[in-house]
Amino acid sequence: GESVGLHLPTLSVQEGDNSIINCAYSNSASDYFIWYKQESGKGPQFIIDIRSNMDKRQGQRVTVLLNKTVKHLSLQIAATQPGDSAVYFCAEREAGTALIFGKGTTLSVSS
Amino acid sequence: EADIYQTPRYLVIGTGKKITLECSQTMGHDKMYWYQQDPGMELHLIHYSYGVNSTEKGDLSSESTVSRIRTEHFPLTLESARPSHTSQYLCASSGYTDTQYFGPGTRLTVL
Repeated sequence: GESVGLHLPTLSVQEGDNSIINCAYSNSASDYFIWYKQESGKGPQFIIDIRSNMDKRQGQRVTVLLNKTVKHLSLQIAATQPGDSAVYFCAEREAGTALIFGKGTTLSVSS
Repeated sequence: EADIYQTPRYLVIGTGKKITLECSQTMGHDKMYWYQQDPGMELHLIHYSYGVNSTEKGDLSSESTVSRIRTEHFPLTLESARPSHTSQYLCASSGYTDTQYFGPGTRLTVL
């Protein structure tokens, strides 16, 4: 599968590969993290979230990993499909404050 | 599937016009938000509300205003639109969890 070390604006993978999208956050007090998928012309769609008392959470074909030591969040998509092509955003939040969105990563899946 | 609606979806207007972007949700969520997003870029919070008669400015300075007279409705108004207001405006809401659900967005073009 394809992975990126630090945030990259684009990621291209082949259908069936596993994708890993990375996100670095800055606020060590953040206690809630969330990933969104945004398709062209649409609003962001919730994918998965995780709280700071966890380091891994799994959904359907997606896994979010949280490394609080290095303030790093990643989204893993298993068996990537063409329908997964979109822009993916991570967001962080400190309790009592608003969500802060990161720069998006455009995932392109080719058949 | 989130029940949050935005109208209009697309709007092209001339400079100096007053416009109101509508946002409604049927989930009974107390918290509602407005974000501004330029194409391919991250979301920036411009206004939020934690309940009826409560409104706050977000991190991004905006010349728009909002009101929250009813739980389900959170309109955003621009008194005098300018070309610099050209952007996508996204409305979101959240309930007792921290997950924000987004509407489809309004793409505004000011000529």
